[in-house]
Amino acid sequence: DQQVKQNSPSLSVQEGRISILNCDYTNSMFDYFLWYKKYPAEGPTFLISISSIKDKNEDGRFTVFLNKSAKHLSLHIVPSQPGDSAVYFCAASAGGATNKLIFGTGTLLAVQP
Amino acid sequence: DVKVTQSSRYLVKRTGEKVFLECVQDMDHENMFWYRQDPGLGLRLIYFSYDVKMKEKGDIPEGYSVSREKKERFSLILESASTNQTSMYLCASSLWASKKAYTEAFFGQGTRLTVV
Repeated sequence: DQQVKQNSPSLSVQEGRISILNCDYTNSMFDYFLWYKKYPAEGPTFLISISSIKDKNEDGRFTVFLNKSAKHLSLHIVPSQPGDSAVYFCAASAGGATNKLIFGTGTLLAVQP
Repeated sequence: DVKVTQSSRYLVKRTGEKVFLECVQDMDHENMFWYRQDPGLGLRLIYFSYDVKMKEKGDIPEGYSVSREKKERFSLILESASTNQTSMYLCASSLWASKKAYTEAFFGQGTRLTVV
């Protein structure tokens, strides 16, 4: 059973426009959410996170929004750049010392010049 | 900078071989993880360890075992490699969440394993 879902396998956006990547989760015990970016043949790199006590976190061009009642989060990238083209993974944690992360299936973002 | 290093970028092994994937981290992290990445399935947790000699099964442990004899090193073992274990394997490490309220995991560069 997939606890973290990214329903869009791919997304294509024009350079300079906004990219919106979506993620849904089913486990109400999750209280920390992260986005990772992954290029081919490389490991994922951490992008931005949000805890369940917030509904928004911003870091430069990247903003993550959390809607706890809908069990939904989204990553906004504004403005999108060709270098943002990568696979984006949403991840969630229920906390605890082990800090185990459960990942979604990923969304391939293509930013067209 | 946190560094998580996996011993090989690419491996080709034969069916039935015993395969060792090694991972070393240099930031004194308590937690270490092994994931595999497959198209359409995302990252799935195989095993994790929260302390030396401690291990717990993740979501897909069948056909794998792990070893953590030292804090900085976490090994994934494929006891008898099969073609369905062809995948990208990713190691990660993180602090215990109790030391920092929320903490991200840091990943190695991945090992692309092909079993023929």
